Amino acid sequence: GAVVSQHPSRVICKSGTSVKIECRSLDFQATTMFWYRQFPKQSLMLMATSNEGSKATYEQGVEKDKFLINHASLTLSTLTVTSAHPEDSSFYICSARLHNEQFFGPGTRLTVL
Amino acid sequence: AQSVSQHNHHVILSEAASLELGCNYSYGGTVNLFWYVQYPGQHLQLLLKYFSGDPLVKGIKGFEAEFIKSKFSFNLRKPSVQWSDTAEYFCAVKGGANNLFFGTGTRLTVIP
Repeated sequence: GAVVSQHPSRVICKSGTSVKIECRSLDFQATTMFWYRQFPKQSLMLMATSNEGSKATYEQGVEKDKFLINHASLTLSTLTVTSAHPEDSSFYICSARLHNEQFFGPGTRLTVL
Repeated sequence: AQSVSQHNHHVILSEAASLELGCNYSYGGTVNLFWYVQYPGQHLQLLLKYFSGDPLVKGIKGFEAEFIKSKFSFNLRKPSVQWSDTAEYFCAVKGGANNLFFGTGTRLTVIP
């Protein structure tokens, strides 16, 4: 199947700093990628849909200025958590769409101290 | 608006027991239905999917699911679970042009 990678897998940062998470489709091109957030023992919540070459579409309640998404190429989307705070600590998962399916990355555990 | 509910939060079974995990959704139109599995420390993987046709769908590792339109359900089944099936299972629905919407997940623990 199609492979999606994320980097880093785990990051710890101080409050107030910014963190960038990369999502790559390794063996296919993805015009659409998705960013999810997963809280402990809860479901995946869609944050935004990332479209190559255009602005991301954010879900209601997600601050676009805080969670910056860039989809500059067909194989790479980045999520930057700006001025991170402890409440931003979570598991962030990206996925890439291929035909009618979504393939998921392994996730990034963000801990903000 | 679409929604997905998984009523079982944590299921504990002994090896060789039969499994059925419930999934109900709400959406008035045509839906695509999915079951994903997340093994400990690993990423989400697709178990099976339903787009159209035979409502009984067979997936990997001996799993199957049945789409019952009248009940808005897509329950996951396996006749005999193994210890290696211990994981988190997510039901997901895509209605029309909407994005994929996930249930809250069911944690399955299989005791050897």
